[in-house]
Amino acid sequence: DSGVTQTPKHLITATGQRVTLRCSPRSGDLSVYWYQQSLDQGLQFLIQYYNGEERAKGNILERFSAQQFPDLHSELNLSSLELGDSALYFCASAMGVNTEAFFGQGTRLTVV
Amino acid sequence: GIQVEQSPPDLILQEGANSTLRCNFSDSVNNLQWFHQNPWGQLINLFYIPSGTKQNGRLSATTVATERYSLLYISSSQTTDSGVYFCAVLSLIQGAQKLVFGQGTRLTINP
Repeated sequence: DSGVTQTPKHLITATGQRVTLRCSPRSGDLSVYWYQQSLDQGLQFLIQYYNGEERAKGNILERFSAQQFPDLHSELNLSSLELGDSALYFCASAMGVNTEAFFGQGTRLTVV
Repeated sequence: GIQVEQSPPDLILQEGANSTLRCNFSDSVNNLQWFHQNPWGQLINLFYIPSGTKQNGRLSATTVATERYSLLYISSSQTTDSGVYFCAVLSLIQGAQKLVFGQGTRLTINP
């Protein structure tokens, strides 16, 4: 167990809908990353937060947004879902800058 | 941005064999991690290794930062070692921290 908690583990939803994925980082970790892994693909960096502030953005679609709350948990919001958004979404946390990152178990999103 | 290349892309071995997985990166990095993604999709931390050599049981890793590569060694492979092995490098630019992943090496260990 990495100590990073993601909910839900599985999510099935229809095209056009909106979902929220939640991540609770390890105790004491200030940095949260989000990644997308499509079928048989590598991990694509979406966005990073540090202590509530957005620090880095990757190839995140405009339909996607994220935030990190004062208690340091983070949410990834995906809207106007398309079939191609089906993927495994990972959250990772790290204590700070330049420290080891630990991944949650992921949320498997299926858009039908 | 920084590029991370892993080789080989696929590796099929018999149980008991040894293997070496390679990770090349295109620029200076602040850190490097190796992960194992098991068949259930979980990403498991193997090594946090910005430089030098580390060992953990049958696994060991070496990073030569000046030459921009890292190697993961697996000895006496077991079927449970099957999965995808990812190398990820930490790119730190103006406070923005990105962990950039390679495409992975898919390892299959046959009994």
